Amino acid sequence: EIVLTQSPATLSLSPGERATLSCRASQSVASYLAWYQQKLGQAPRLLLYDASNRATGIPARFSGSGSGTDFTLTISDLEPEDFAIYYCQQRVNWPPTFGQGTKVEIK
Amino acid sequence: EVQLLESGGGLVQPGGSLRLSCAASGFTFSSYAMTWVRQAPGEGLKWVSAISGNAGSIYYADSVKGRFTISRDNSKNTLFLQMTDLRAEDTAIYYCANFLRLRFFDSWGQGTLVTVSS
Repeated sequence: EIVLTQSPATLSLSPGERATLSCRASQSVASYLAWYQQKLGQAPRLLLYDASNRATGIPARFSGSGSGTDFTLTISDLEPEDFAIYYCQQRVNWPPTFGQGTKVEIK
Repeated sequence: EVQLLESGGGLVQPGGSLRLSCAASGFTFSSYAMTWVRQAPGEGLKWVSAISGNAGSIYYADSVKGRFTISRDNSKNTLFLQMTDLRAEDTAIYYCANFLRLRFFDSWGQGTLVTVSS
């Protein structure tokens, strides 16, 4: 199965700063990569799919890039509600797999 | 508005069985593939099983193959997960989600907790 490695494990930033999260795949996933946000005690929420397409209702400050094995999620101007754990996920083949997550915390 | 409501979780002994349900509303249920994803306490997300809209295609993670059965009742807009031979490592919150293009987990329910312990 494809292994997704996210870095860093934790990102300590202040509101208003830019967050850059990385996701690397053990083999090419083309553009079949998604990003999810999970807040404490809540279900995950789809942010981006096909590497760069925002899901319904997702603010423009969330953007994604990459293809093949290297992907980036950028949050351009952190809002207080953006502090959460972020997961990447691939489904180029079975099974779908997730990265281990990056926690974005308030500095 | 899409709503997914899981139920059926609880405490069960190792080797026991449990049936989870996910009631869907706000979209044409039969047109969407559906899936279960679980999250052990303090851990990350792991995909469990998926089923196409007409139930013609079904997929399982190796860790649950032969023990779990996914099914759906499109007349009642409900997704199921029958879990048997439960193990301690199956302890997790189980989320149902609709499976966009059989690739991405779109809308999620709030989850139901399954605890396997003696």
